[in-house]
Amino acid sequence: QPQLQESGPGLAKPSETLSLTCSVSGGSISSNDHYWGWIRQPPGKGLEWVGSIFHGGSTYYNPSLKSRVTISVDTSKNHFYLKVRSVTAADTGVYYCARHVGDDALTGFDSWGQGTLITVSS
Amino acid sequence: VIWMTQSPSLLSASTGDRVTISCRVSRDISSDLAWYQQKPGKAPELLISAASTLRSGVPSRFSGSGSGTDFTLTISSLQSEDFATYFCQQYFAFPLTFGGGTKVEIK
Repeated sequence: QPQLQESGPGLAKPSETLSLTCSVSGGSISSNDHYWGWIRQPPGKGLEWVGSIFHGGSTYYNPSLKSRVTISVDTSKNHFYLKVRSVTAADTGVYYCARHVGDDALTGFDSWGQGTLITVSS
Repeated sequence: VIWMTQSPSLLSASTGDRVTISCRVSRDISSDLAWYQQKPGKAPELLISAASTLRSGVPSRFSGSGSGTDFTLTISSLQSEDFATYFCQQYFAFPLTFGGGTKVEIK
């Protein structure tokens, strides 16, 4: 199983753009075997899928966030990224990066990062 | 959007109990369902995919069943390490959606 590690600012101000990085080790993000995704969890609540990407750039987004979200990948660094524009307090939560079970975004997630807490506050 | 309803939201049980968690889905998803376990402060871990396929390394006391719109996660004999929150997830269609979670606590 690969290791995934999220990194981010911890704190973001309302209306700003939030940028997160997922660093993957122990496996190549360029393999044709897996999609990669972002999932978030507001404090004390359930899980919300944000979106997913394949190394070639094919992306799928949750329509509830699609207008504010961009997911990208840098295969040379073995990283993928999440940007959320115009954040509000409702974007507060733990953000996880994860690997899809297969080469299809219509699958579950079999490897997860530890998560990074993002708080949106002025 | 495919909606996922888990019940109960909170389950109090004792070690050794047989535990059943339900996940109902707003439309037919065949067997495109996964179950996860999440412990406090940790990321979810995949237990079961395709409704009933146990992930390698997951204890055999866990089992999943169902298809269509009704699914069940069963723990045959609850162990101390099983006290956690459990989520179902459908991957039949976008957007991927999760159930609200079932917290299994010590009775």
